[in-house]
Amino acid sequence: DGGITQSPKYLFRKEGQNVTLSCEQNLNHDAMYWYRQDPGQGLRLIYYSQIVNDFQKGDIAEGYSVSREKKESFPLTVTSAQKNPTAFYLCASSLQYQPQHFGDGTRLSIL
Amino acid sequence: QQQVKQSPQSLIVQKGGISIINCAYENTAFDYFPWYQQFPGKGPALLIAIRPDVSEKKEGRFTISFNKSAKQFSLHIMDSQPGDSATYFCAARGYGGSQGNLIFGKGTKLSVKP
Repeated sequence: DGGITQSPKYLFRKEGQNVTLSCEQNLNHDAMYWYRQDPGQGLRLIYYSQIVNDFQKGDIAEGYSVSREKKESFPLTVTSAQKNPTAFYLCASSLQYQPQHFGDGTRLSIL
Repeated sequence: QQQVKQSPQSLIVQKGGISIINCAYENTAFDYFPWYQQFPGKGPALLIAIRPDVSEKKEGRFTISFNKSAKQFSLHIMDSQPGDSATYFCAARGYGGSQGNLIFGKGTKLSVKP
């Protein structure tokens, strides 16, 4: 089945540690997105990529990094510079100007 | 910063009733207004969407009403069912480039009581 796969479903980070969240899609979508969801805050855009080897900062990019080496993959690294990383992270993809499709998220917590 | 304001934050409706969620936006350059439904532990799923040249769109029990002059749009869920209990997000998308990204409201948690 076509879709977006996020892994792991749950992730724990220690102080000073970088962690990487995986996002893979087999929908042949050009655009991919990372959002952060906090209770009562809606979805906030971290980074997005409209084409391979190119990506742009969203509204809350500080403390995060991404890469887009392959069309189907858009991993997100939560660096130690992100002081409040506990959240639900959502990856999405879309064709240009078409609806975004979301994965089922990764819940990140601090140990 | 561009905003989409969503209300209410939470909503309790009896089974068979009508659920109404409202959103207002500030940027007149938005060209697409989707609604997403999210169940706990899952990602949001597109429910229904509308473009500003249409005042109403209906899909089954779900209807979007759009008021361009007031810069408001709302989701109506007719004959609400317990299975509709979820969090609903409205969103808006601008024209091209970074403006083509979605801006989300903060969500409405709907509970439908049997």
